[in-house]
Amino acid sequence: QQPVQSPQAVILREGEDAVINCSSSKALYSVHWYRQKHGEAPIFLMILLKGGEQKGHDKISASFNEKKQQSSLYLTASQLSYSGTYFCGTEPYYNQGGKLIFGQGTELSVKP
Amino acid sequence: DVKVTQSSRYLVKRTGEKVFLECVQDMDHENMFWYRQDPGLGLRLIYFSYDVKMKEKGDIPEGYSVSREKKERFSLILESASTNQTSMYLCASSLMGQSNTEAFFGQGTRLTVV
Repeated sequence: QQPVQSPQAVILREGEDAVINCSSSKALYSVHWYRQKHGEAPIFLMILLKGGEQKGHDKISASFNEKKQQSSLYLTASQLSYSGTYFCGTEPYYNQGGKLIFGQGTELSVKP
Repeated sequence: DVKVTQSSRYLVKRTGEKVFLECVQDMDHENMFWYRQDPGLGLRLIYFSYDVKMKEKGDIPEGYSVSREKKERFSLILESASTNQTSMYLCASSLMGQSNTEAFFGQGTRLTVV
């Protein structure tokens, strides 16, 4: 069953911040985040494992709350290059072989 | 440079045709995936394979089958194509059993069934 992402779309000005949320109805072992630009393949951003960890990559970070079965992606001081569709991919706790179920995506547009 | 290669970027097929979508990876990954991407629905898993000849249904397997005879190749088969299978199809691969590794995606095949 697909995780639910919110919001579905967001428009930012350069330098603004955004948060994208990912919620699952099932217990999760890990959460992956990917970004896809128009006409291109999705590109990996980061993985978060159970244990409530938080990770960062430049000005993009994420958290994973396994009790709430939720993850959030934080984009700070957004740049034009951040535009694209962001997907969370979830790995169920009962099936840890790497099977990834993705959400419906969040379309992010950063304007000058 | 690691690669997941899908055999076609664009395909146009007629209703009722048998369609093969091919995917090859050069990273010796055990896991391979076929997803379907539609606006507003995200990436929906059709089938997942964790080893040669091993497969597992995803969320939307109806109307599709898969074949994995060699580790590097994973084929998606539409036995009798229908117009509601018009979509973008993405193949991906990853290492098995290691949740801290990323999935690599191919460029996608845009299939139109007329």
